[in-house]
Amino acid sequence: RKEVEQDPGPFNVPEGATVAFNCTYSNSASQSFFWYRQDCRKEPKLLMSVYSSGNEDGRFTAQLNRASQYISLLIRDSKLSDSATYLCVVNTNRDDKIIFGKGTRLHILP
Amino acid sequence: EPEVTQTPSHQVTQMGQEVILRCVPISNHLYFYWYRQILGQKVEFLVSFYNNEISEKSEIFDDQFSVERPDGSNFTLKIRSTKLEDSAMYFCASSDLGARNEQFFGPGTRLTVL
Repeated sequence: RKEVEQDPGPFNVPEGATVAFNCTYSNSASQSFFWYRQDCRKEPKLLMSVYSSGNEDGRFTAQLNRASQYISLLIRDSKLSDSATYLCVVNTNRDDKIIFGKGTRLHILP
Repeated sequence: EPEVTQTPSHQVTQMGQEVILRCVPISNHLYFYWYRQILGQKVEFLVSFYNNEISEKSEIFDDQFSVERPDGSNFTLKIRSTKLEDSAMYFCASSDLGARNEQFFGPGTRLTVL
C-alpha cells in the first residue's frame, strides 16, 4: 500500500458545485495532516492543516478519520480559481519529513 | 508577508557538472528542507536540516548531494556531478516547528541537465 494515496482525477466540476476529495495513508502512527494546493509549475501552498476534530476555513472543510486512515477535503461553491492540484500531505512525527500524495487535479468549468 | 526565496529560477547545466541551488528561508524558522518534483510526478522529500545538521534524508539523497547553511540566511543544495535524471524542479521549504507543523515553500529552481 502506498504511503499516501489519492485519486489523481481529473475532477471536472461546474462552477458553484461542491466537490470532495479523499486521501488514504498507510502509517497508523501518522500525526500531522495537511492539504496543499499546487498550481501548474508552481510551488505547493498550504491550504489548511487537518485537525482531529475537523476544521473549516470559509468554503473549505477538512476531516480526519483515524480509524479508517483517511482525510478528506470538501470545497463548497467552487470558483474558477479553485482549479489546481490538491496535495494530501502526512507526517508521522517520528521523523522530520513529510510525505506527499501524487495529488488530485481539479478543473472548475465555467 | 515573509516568504522563502530561491535562486536561480532556472538552471541549465551539462551532465557531470556541479550545481548549487540557493534558498533563503523565512528568517525566524529553524527547520529547512529540500524537495524535488520531476515533471508530472509527485513532490519527493530529499533532506531536512536543523541545528546545522541533517536530521533526515531520503534514499534519493545520495553522496552526490550535500546541503549547507553557510551563513545566517542562506541554505544551499549542491549536486556534485549532475545526471540527466536530476532534471526536476527543486523546492526549498522552511518551518518554525519542524515537519509536524506547516512548511512554507519557495518558488523553486527548475534544473535542466543536458
